[in-house]
Amino acid sequence: KNEVEQSPQNLTAQEGEFITINCSYSVGISALHWLQQHPGGGIVSLFMLSSGKKKHGRLIATINIQEKHSSLHITASHPRDSAVYICAVLAGGTSYGKLTFGQGTILTVHP
Amino acid sequence: NAGVTQTPKFQVLKTGQSMTLQCAQDMNHEYMSWYRQDPGMGLRLIHYSVGAGITDQGEVPNGYNVSRSTTEDFPLRLLSAAPSQTSVYFCASSSRLVFNEQFFGPGTRLTVL
Repeated sequence: KNEVEQSPQNLTAQEGEFITINCSYSVGISALHWLQQHPGGGIVSLFMLSSGKKKHGRLIATINIQEKHSSLHITASHPRDSAVYICAVLAGGTSYGKLTFGQGTILTVHP
Repeated sequence: NAGVTQTPKFQVLKTGQSMTLQCAQDMNHEYMSWYRQDPGMGLRLIHYSVGAGITDQGEVPNGYNVSRSTTEDFPLRLLSAAPSQTSVYFCASSSRLVFNEQFFGPGTRLTVL
């Protein structure tokens, strides 16, 4: 079993829909990252969480440390949100950016 | 700032050839890492460095060497390329001062025939 599991693996939505991507992990962590990767493109950091909730524009990320679970929400989805979304965790006690990654969720938003 | 840069963007090698993937960052970050990304496998750590002169192995280090002679540069060397090393390679950097936010380079797509 992978240390970081994402669901769903693939997600198709219509423009305007509310989207949720889930991430569960099995180890104690000091931080969790949500990353975005566009087709053929590089990887961009969206959020870094250690507790609670963060919001940036239409993106919201939450984390429940006790349940070892995080969610990434996209409100009013748009075709430009189509990308791979990757959850990554920084193991507890690790003092630098040595991340363990989920396999990613492929999101396609149709107009 | 250019951020994290990688060269080349694409490379085709024959089995047994050697090459170096270049990575540089201009943000004065202490931490740098090399990852490979394969379909269905997610990103996996190859080697990392916590500062100039200090490197260590990650999850999949076999067949790769690294060195860190300066803060800015962290090259990845393939000693004798194998088809199993066909992958997309990402370099990343982060600072101790900003709680481990990772900055990624654009990636190098490597094919070994």
